[in-house]
Amino acid sequence: AQTVTQSQPEMSVQEAETVTLSCTYDTSESDYYLFWYKQPPSRQMILVIRQEAYKQQNATENRFSVNFQKAAKSFSLKISDSQLGDAAMYFCAGGSNYKLTFGKGTLLTVNP
Amino acid sequence: EAGVVQSPRYKIIEKKQPVAFWCNPISGHNTLYWYLQNLGQGPELLIRYENEEAVDDSQLPKDRFSAERLKGVDSTLKIQPAELGDSAVYLCASSFGGRTGELFFGEGSRLTVL
Repeated sequence: AQTVTQSQPEMSVQEAETVTLSCTYDTSESDYYLFWYKQPPSRQMILVIRQEAYKQQNATENRFSVNFQKAAKSFSLKISDSQLGDAAMYFCAGGSNYKLTFGKGTLLTVNP
Repeated sequence: EAGVVQSPRYKIIEKKQPVAFWCNPISGHNTLYWYLQNLGQGPELLIRYENEEAVDDSQLPKDRFSAERLKGVDSTLKIQPAELGDSAVYLCASSFGGRTGELFFGEGSRLTVL
């Protein structure tokens, strides 16, 4: 993706509740991939979930799921049953051919 | 299995001094990336290696930055001379290959230039 936009610099959620993080992107590629990465404070970035653009079915990984709207170029992340360990910076990323563009991130706070 | 290892974790230097960062990728990962992460921003690719060959260094400021990946394993990123604006976190990542392969990141090297 040439550009990836995360419009929510910060979000907060109560423990056990559900939160949705937004991401929009723009690309001229026909074949691309979208990712959500999690970066806890002073820890390494890890992959949360991945979506192939050619797949219509939304990806799901346990409590994490995406809402992929290809026509709208939207790729939001839903976290269900939020846990304290989910607190982190979340980055949306997209691209193809090894070249990923990252958004600026959304800082998620989980309140007990 | 050991993850991507980077050192040093933190480095503070005076401007115009040289600095080097080291990265050991996950064993068997042939693709290695160096990313720059400024405060409050997402990572930006500096350079990508396929084995020992730099296949994408279009975003690397070659006047002061250099990188190498000897024998297609460990990699070193060097800045000489460092400038105030180079203060950032330098992330190393590796992947097994395949153009959509998951990236495995190290913890990063935080550089402060005074």
